[in-house]
Amino acid sequence: AQTVTQSQPEMSVQEAETVTLSCTYDTSESDYYLFWYKQPPSRQMILVIRQEAYKQQNATENRFSVNFQKAAKSFSLKISDSQLGDAAMYFCAYRGYKGAQKLVFGQGTRLTINP
Amino acid sequence: EADIYQTPRYLVIGTGKKITLECSQTMGHDKMYWYQQDPGMELHLIHYSYGVNSTEKGDLSSESTVSRIRTEHFPLTLESARPSHTSQYLCASSPPDSYSPLHFGNGTRLTVT
Repeated sequence: AQTVTQSQPEMSVQEAETVTLSCTYDTSESDYYLFWYKQPPSRQMILVIRQEAYKQQNATENRFSVNFQKAAKSFSLKISDSQLGDAAMYFCAYRGYKGAQKLVFGQGTRLTINP
Repeated sequence: EADIYQTPRYLVIGTGKKITLECSQTMGHDKMYWYQQDPGMELHLIHYSYGVNSTEKGDLSSESTVSRIRTEHFPLTLESARPSHTSQYLCASSPPDSYSPLHFGNGTRLTVT
């Protein structure tokens, strides 16, 4: 079974600075997808960024980028120019290519932005 | 914004009551999921569905049941609620391909007293 591990329960960063959230995963599959989701307090879970495992190029979405290391099974999220609205729980997630395509989540990292 | 709706948003009920958490989506997605989010915020899959008349149990054992009679509707039922069922329940749906993200509802926060 696939597992996802986020080793940082909490992180904090100064507004306008850069922060990196860590994520590692375990799988025996060769094709899969990785996601970062954001869950603001009492609000809906939304997609931040996604990465296809067969692509070597790291995904980027505006201030958000990932460092995908397939051999190391690592998928970290970098947030540049942090803003107060970035404060949330961040979840790393794995989704298999076949079958039920269940989304397997990590434990989450609570990100605080200090003004 | 994704069109997936969960009701009620908050629910407080007594032990032994039967409850149904509603989840509806207007995107025509075949795949739907129920996740339980514990106080530590970890998410665990408890049920999923490939489409109408298809339901499967997830990775976390749950005393709840689900049904999928219509594509857009995926309700979750607890026949006899217990304090151990106190949690947040998130419903999600997705298109057939793995690359498309899951769309989540706002969740139902259930408290069983």
